[in-house]
Amino acid sequence: AQSVTQLGSHVSVSEGALVLLRCNYSSSVPPYLFWYVQYPNQGLQLLLKYTSAATLVKGINGFEAEFKKSETSFHLTKPSAHMSDAAEYFCAVRFQGAQKLVFGQGTRLTINP
Amino acid sequence: EAQVTQNPRYLITVTGKKLTVTCSQNMNHEYMSWYRQDPGLGLRQIYYSMNVEVTDKGDVPEGYKVSRKEKRNFPLILESPSPNQTSLYFCASSLIGTSGYNEQFFGPGTRLTVL
Repeated sequence: AQSVTQLGSHVSVSEGALVLLRCNYSSSVPPYLFWYVQYPNQGLQLLLKYTSAATLVKGINGFEAEFKKSETSFHLTKPSAHMSDAAEYFCAVRFQGAQKLVFGQGTRLTINP
Repeated sequence: EAQVTQNPRYLITVTGKKLTVTCSQNMNHEYMSWYRQDPGLGLRQIYYSMNVEVTDKGDVPEGYKVSRKEKRNFPLILESPSPNQTSLYFCASSLIGTSGYNEQFFGPGTRLTVL
């Protein structure tokens, strides 16, 4: 079955450290891939999306994600965490032939001073 | 400003009292969708609509109804709310096209508590 998995429901890093949030999908055909961020008491905001132009995608706020077809992954990274990055992050996938977005379970990112 | 609006933002009600959560978008999007967000479960789709008068069930439709009489509006109706419908609800919209890259735009959310 087609699915999306985010490893780690909670991730905690120190300010200035590398952020790595993992997302894997299950599909024989590469889907359309998105990362959304949800700040406290707000809706979801698009961070970035994979458009097949390049495997490394740059998004807002210094985040980027790399599509690896062989690993069926689309992990989100940021070289240096900032306190304002504390939020919940969702990987979302649109499988080929579908309009629906399927969301991972979400990863709550905490930044320690 | 392009946006999706939802009302109310917060609602506390009692079991069995019918309620409607409104959703409106000003981007002329064909596709609209309702999700509920619960801890550890991510966002799950309740209902969606591909265009006016075209709606279909998502993954968790039980206890909900929707309608799409106008392109911009997509209200969510709970005819007899129960405590297990206490959740955070999001409305979203997007274009439909040959490309699958169209992102969904989300409303600010409605936090519903059913006592």
